[in-house]
Amino acid sequence: GAVVSQHPSWVICKSGTSVKIECRSLDFQATTMFWYRQFPKQSLMLMATSNEGSKATYEQGVEKDKFLINHASLTLSTLTVTSAHPEDSSFYICSVPGGEQDYEQYFGPGTRLTVT
Amino acid sequence: RKEVEQDPGPFNVPEGATVAFNCTYSNSASQSFFWYRQDCRKEPKLLMSVYSSGNEDGRFTAQLNRASQYISLLIRDSKLSDSATYLCVVSRNFNKFYFGSGTKLNVKP
Repeated sequence: GAVVSQHPSWVICKSGTSVKIECRSLDFQATTMFWYRQFPKQSLMLMATSNEGSKATYEQGVEKDKFLINHASLTLSTLTVTSAHPEDSSFYICSVPGGEQDYEQYFGPGTRLTVT
Repeated sequence: RKEVEQDPGPFNVPEGATVAFNCTYSNSASQSFFWYRQDCRKEPKLLMSVYSSGNEDGRFTAQLNRASQYISLLIRDSKLSDSATYLCVVSRNFNKFYFGSGTKLNVKP
């Protein structure tokens, strides 16, 4: 399966600042990547679908101006949390669909964001 | 109504026990079904896909009941290392995957 990395693995930032999270597909060209958020003891919630060379598709209720997604190449997608607030503290995970007919998802190790 | 619902547990079982989890999904157009395992503070990892005819992988057996819109996971001969949260995942068109909130399993010696 695909190997997916994320950077940073954890970050602490002050309220009002912006944080960029990188998701890289190390051995697989990904035209699509998914960004999820997971709060403690809750499910993974899809935030947006990142599309290489075009605009991301955001899920209902996710502010596109707050969560900026850029998918500039087939191996890299970035999620920028702008003007972060404590309620944005969460576990952010990206995934790359793959396998036969894109049945599987290969997840990055996640980024734990804490906004103080 | 949530797309996917699971009993959060926890299920506390002794080593060697057999344990089963169920998951229900709300959209009858769902096409693909999976069980993922997630360890604490880690990313989910695919445990197995769930096929219409049911499938088995070692100690793990997955079943799909389309009429009742539920899937199940059976774990036989539980190991300490099986302790984790098990996520039920459903997809309609592979462009979106819907996750249940997970069922926590604790296997005790």
